[in-house]
Amino acid sequence: DQQVKQNSPSLSVQEGRISILNCDYTNSMFDYFLWYKKYPAEGPTFLISISSIKDKNEDGRFTVFLNKSAKHLSLHIVPSQPGDSAVYFCAASSNAGGTSYGKLTFGQGTILTVHP
Amino acid sequence: DAGVIQSPRHEVTEMGQEVTLRCKPISGHNSLFWYRQTMMRGLELLIYFNNNVPIDDSGMPEDRFSAKMPNASFSTLKIQPSEPRDSAVYFCASSFIIGGGRETQYFGPGTRLLVL
Repeated sequence: DQQVKQNSPSLSVQEGRISILNCDYTNSMFDYFLWYKKYPAEGPTFLISISSIKDKNEDGRFTVFLNKSAKHLSLHIVPSQPGDSAVYFCAASSNAGGTSYGKLTFGQGTILTVHP
Repeated sequence: DAGVIQSPRHEVTEMGQEVTLRCKPISGHNSLFWYRQTMMRGLELLIYFNNNVPIDDSGMPEDRFSAKMPNASFSTLKIQPSEPRDSAVYFCASSFIIGGGRETQYFGPGTRLLVL
């Protein structure tokens, strides 16, 4: 049972354009959401996060949007650069049920390719 | 400043053999996570240690998998006997968790395991 889903296995974008990566979740107890970025032969690195009390968080070229009613979040990268080419993982956590360590549930990942 | 260190980076073994993966977390971190990445299921949490004590092992697939953390600077994940379906990339991550579950997890480069 995949509680966090990234339905697009891959996305191809032209340099300078906007990249939009999508993520859906089913567990309404999730209250914190993150995006991790992964280059080949490296581990995932934290990119940006958002709490459920917000609907938008921005950090430079990266913005995460959260739509709680739709149980959907998205990552926007503007403008996209070739160095952004990587696998992007969506993750979610909940502090309910005593899991105070913020157990992360990840999606399957989306491969982003930014063409020069 | 060294990040999370994992060894070996690649492991090829035959079905039935014992496999031991190793992890050195970031110095000063009090929490350690083992994850497994597959194409089908993405990143899955296997086990979580806090202050060297296993707190959540609900993700450990079966009795063939075991994990230990004898001290704050070392952890192992053992598979015995290994099976072809164990082939995956195994990541170790560490964090300094003080409560609230919003602390960033830092991932190692992973161990790519192939069981023939």
